[in-house]
Amino acid sequence: DAGVTQSPTHLIKTRGQQVTLRCSPKSGHDTVSWYQQALGQGPQFIFQYYEEEERQRGNFPDRFSGHQFPNYSSELNVNALLLGDSALYLCASSWRDGYQETQYFGPGTRLLVL
Amino acid sequence: TQLLEQSPQFLSIQEGENLTVYCNSSSVFSSLQWYRQEPGEGPVLLVTVVTGGEVKKLKRLTFQFGDARKDSSLHITAAQPGDTGLYLCAGPGGGSQGNLIFGKGTKLSVKP
Repeated sequence: DAGVTQSPTHLIKTRGQQVTLRCSPKSGHDTVSWYQQALGQGPQFIFQYYEEEERQRGNFPDRFSGHQFPNYSSELNVNALLLGDSALYLCASSWRDGYQETQYFGPGTRLLVL
Repeated sequence: TQLLEQSPQFLSIQEGENLTVYCNSSSVFSSLQWYRQEPGEGPVLLVTVVTGGEVKKLKRLTFQFGDARKDSSLHITAAQPGDTGLYLCAGPGGGSQGNLIFGKGTKLSVKP
């Protein structure tokens, strides 16, 4: 049973560019959440997708957008990259059973903005 | 705004020693979770505590949820080098459990 997978593992971009990160949830999961983890910090919630819609959003600008596909996989897009966007981007999947959504995290994509 | 503060930030000990790390908040949480994260990996869930005063054990790890559900602790007995990692506590930020609030973590290093 494959866990949460993310691609690419590492990425280097320059300021102003755009980036797309991808996530495949654990088998049987229908909900995907994205987190940003800066160096030395805990993960910060970006947004969550369920039934192909953004259900919740953290305190991130509109430059951060996402998408969920019918097969539950998801993309995170960041436009007009800033140096401060350098971080580990984590995807977590869960099954929305209405009570407690235990989240399973992928290994992350490490983004470096130069 | 709900915040989780973890202490200590860094901890370096010898194999065989015991240790306790803390997770504190001024807010009440319906549950708290503990994760361990190793370099280059995503966080891995260790335990979820739900009831105030609850104690859960996972081999040499003991987790406690405060009576008022504002704090939690993780105690490791006879630490081993394999326990090395970043220990994160997290709680629901509102709405569904999907919005998790994390502390900054305790970076533990266990030297052989």
